[in-house]
Amino acid sequence: GESVGLHLPTLSVQEGDNSIINCAYSNSASDYFIWYKQESGKGPQFIIDIRSNMDKRQGQRVTVLLNKTVKHLSLQIAATQPGDSAVYFCAEKSGYNKLIFGAGTRLAVHP
Amino acid sequence: DVKVTQSSRYLVKRTGEKVFLECVQDMDHENMFWYRQDPGLGLRLIYFSYDVKMKEKGDIPEGYSVSREKKERFSLILESASTNQTSMYLCASLGQGITSSYEQYFGPGTRLTVT
Repeated sequence: GESVGLHLPTLSVQEGDNSIINCAYSNSASDYFIWYKQESGKGPQFIIDIRSNMDKRQGQRVTVLLNKTVKHLSLQIAATQPGDSAVYFCAEKSGYNKLIFGAGTRLAVHP
Repeated sequence: DVKVTQSSRYLVKRTGEKVFLECVQDMDHENMFWYRQDPGLGLRLIYFSYDVKMKEKGDIPEGYSVSREKKERFSLILESASTNQTSMYLCASLGQGITSSYEQYFGPGTRLTVT
C-alpha cells in the first residue's frame, strides 16, 4: 500500500476563480511566516511573508492571513491564472534564521 | 537579483560513491542551507552554515557532511551514497541585513539518483 505523506494535497480551481491554500503551523511562539511557490523543475520562489504582529498582508494578487489563535496560515490568490499552477509551501521561522517547511499543496488551474 | 547556482541539475551515481554537490551565491550572504526535497515531505534541512568554516546540523544530517571554505560556496558531501539518498537537493542563501525578512533564496536544485 501507499504511505501517508507521499502524495501532495491538490487544490483544483478554474481560471479566474480565487484560490485559498491553507497551512497549519506547529510553534505558537513563531514570529515570522513565509510562502513560497515552486514551479516544476525550479527552486522555490518567494511570494509573500508576514510577521506575527500582523494578521493580514497583501501583495499583488496575493493575501496572507494569519490566525495565531488556531496556528493557521492561508494564502489567497485572486483571479487565479494558469501561470499560478505550482506547488505552494508555507514555512515558519525557527531559531536562528532557519525555516521549517510544510509538506506543500499543489495548485492546478484549469481553463 | 540574487543568484544561487548549483553545479548540476541532474546527477546519477552508484551506491558507495562519494558525491559532491556544489552551491554558489553571488550576494555576499552569510547564511547558506542545504535541503532535500521528497514528494509529500516538503523541504527538510540537512545542514546550514552561518559563516565561513561554520556549520550546524539540520534535521536530517545523517549520511551527509558539508564544507564552507569561502563565503560564496557551500558544498554538500555524501561520503558513501546510498539509494535512500536519491532525492532533489536544494541550496539556499540568506543575508544578514537590516531588513526584517528571512527570505531564503533558492537554487534550481540538483536531482540526484543513486543506483
